[in-house]
Amino acid sequence: ELKVEQNPLFLSMQEGKNYTIYCNYSTTSDRLYWYRQDPGKSLESLFVLLSNGAVKQEGRLMASLDTKARLSTLHITAAVHDLSATYFCAVGYGNKLVFGAGTILRVKS
Amino acid sequence: NAGVTQTPKFQVLKTGQSMTLQCAQDMNHNSMYWYRQDPGMGLRLIYYSASEGTTDKGEVPNGYNVSRLNKREFSLRLESAAPSQTSVYFCASSDRGQFNEKLFFGSGTQLSVL
Repeated sequence: ELKVEQNPLFLSMQEGKNYTIYCNYSTTSDRLYWYRQDPGKSLESLFVLLSNGAVKQEGRLMASLDTKARLSTLHITAAVHDLSATYFCAVGYGNKLVFGAGTILRVKS
Repeated sequence: NAGVTQTPKFQVLKTGQSMTLQCAQDMNHNSMYWYRQDPGMGLRLIYYSASEGTTDKGEVPNGYNVSRLNKREFSLRLESAAPSQTSVYFCASSDRGQFNEKLFFGSGTQLSVL
């Protein structure tokens, strides 16, 4: 059974600082996804990572995938308040996606 | 472009009542999914339909049934609601044929069972 663990589960950071969210998973997979959820809203796709070494960047967010280590990272550069949200990683497993518990990010001025 | 549409947005039920959550997508996607979201637990898959005419159980199927009515619509039914089914429910769809597959989510249904 695939297990997906994110850490930290809660992250409070100052504007302008850098930080990384980690996503570890227990079974071989080469499909990993990052989603963002604003409070009371639905989930929005951020990144799709489909191969070992894949790196994708959008604005202040950069995601990477190391399938050998079963690890994906979401790096935040020079955080701004608008990045406050909950971030989920999800790992492809057959026909399904298994989600991590989510990381609540709060960016303080 | 509507994407994935869920109804209702909010629902309060009494224990033992039944209801159906409706979901429709207009992106011609093959696969559709029902997830529930509980605090601190991420999203857990209830049922999915890889293609029209097929349905399969996910992680937490007990107490639920689904119907893939056609390619566009995938409904979730609670036959006898229980307080443990209080949650936020999301429908999602994807096109399995695409290389860069990702899920498109509906806006969610907040369900309370008293």
